[in-house]
Amino acid sequence: KAGVTQTPRYLIKTRGQQVTLSCSPISGHRSVSWYQQTPGQGLQFLFEYFSETQRNKGNFPGRFSGRQFSNSRSEMNVSTLELGDSALYLCASSLEYEQFFGPGTRLTVL
Amino acid sequence: ILNVEQSPQSLHVQEGDSTNFTCSFPSSNFYALHWYRWETAKSPEALFVMTLNGDEKKKGRISATLNTKEGYSYLYIKGSQPEDSATYLCAPGGGAGSYQLTFGKGTKLSVIP
Repeated sequence: KAGVTQTPRYLIKTRGQQVTLSCSPISGHRSVSWYQQTPGQGLQFLFEYFSETQRNKGNFPGRFSGRQFSNSRSEMNVSTLELGDSALYLCASSLEYEQFFGPGTRLTVL
Repeated sequence: ILNVEQSPQSLHVQEGDSTNFTCSFPSSNFYALHWYRWETAKSPEALFVMTLNGDEKKKGRISATLNTKEGYSYLYIKGSQPEDSATYLCAPGGGAGSYQLTFGKGTKLSVIP
């Protein structure tokens, strides 16, 4: 069974730009969650989608948004990038409570 | 759950030593406590999912216990090997219709051959 895939793996953007990250969950998993890791911080919850509906959202500004498609693939978008958005973004898919993580997208904002 | 603490932050042990880490949480208002192993440049790998107070789980040389009444979980590694070098994360979460996890900052283990 294929694992969670994320594209792209690495991304460099400049301040003010926007970025879209993609996550393909494990086949059959209907829930996708997104997490951010910045240096010195633990993984911070961004949002969770289940059957195309946002079920939960973390404490992030409105510049961070996401969506989920009917095939459970998910995208997250960050608009008006700031230097502090440089981070590793992980997505995780779930069938029930166990979450399976992808390899992450490393975003660098210059 | 606002604050999940893990200790120690980092640990260096000799190959063959046994070691343990602590995860503490102020509230037991969650469905399950998860332990992950995260090696550099790889995806976090699920080790255990524990749901009941008093739960004990074991996978090879690694085991974990959960005490929801006193708000902690322990992870034990018996006879550490260099391949055990990784960051170990604990994350309580789930419940109320969400799978959201709240992560601690992790314990970074380095096993010296």
